[in-house]
Amino acid sequence: GAVVSQHPSWVICKSGTSVKIECRSLDFQATTMFWYRQFPKQSLMLMATSNEGSKATYEQGVEKDKFLINHASLTLSTLTVTSAHPEDSSFYICSARIRLSYNEQFFGPGTRLTVL
Amino acid sequence: GNSVTQMEGPVTLSEEAFLTINCTYTATGYPSLFWYVQYPGEGLQLLLKATKADDKGSNKGFEATYRKETTSFHLEKGSVQVSDSAVYFCALVNAGGTSYGKLTFGQGTILTVHP
Repeated sequence: GAVVSQHPSWVICKSGTSVKIECRSLDFQATTMFWYRQFPKQSLMLMATSNEGSKATYEQGVEKDKFLINHASLTLSTLTVTSAHPEDSSFYICSARIRLSYNEQFFGPGTRLTVL
Repeated sequence: GNSVTQMEGPVTLSEEAFLTINCTYTATGYPSLFWYVQYPGEGLQLLLKATKADDKGSNKGFEATYRKETTSFHLEKGSVQVSDSAVYFCALVNAGGTSYGKLTFGQGTILTVHP
């Protein structure tokens, strides 16, 4: 149980295009999902917290218009990297939290984004 | 605010050696503590956790004890295997305050185990 999937697992795009990454909780309802960014050999940086049916809360320094997050249902959150540039290349990981379980998050396998 | 500090790596060991990865934290209140493991090219997997002082989390031969007096949660394994080679992250989450439910990660420790 408690499986989180991400799609795609990797994507290569041209500079200036937009890329959408999906995060799904496969066997539970996730009232809250988190999006992280990880640079090579570094720790995870929380980008935003996404609550179902409401606007995402972004961490300081993360551009809201650049990284669009939508949490339309209890099992799906999407991250859209708009007008991607090479500096947006990174490993993006989502996690999902079950309702009323503040201290347990389940992580997706990650999406490797490369912007040429 | 919350913070987690891990011993710097990388750590290189021979198979069957004893492993310790130190982790200390700063947090208000009573956080829950975690160790996550990340294999190359993959997301994070929960390795073990402890939710209150003196709790011991254990899994797959790994152990860590929640020490409130020293604000530590050191990871140990008595005999490592090549398959344990990965990046290990110590993390905490708080039940209250502005950081409610948000994980704070340490910087990660790369472990390489040689045959």
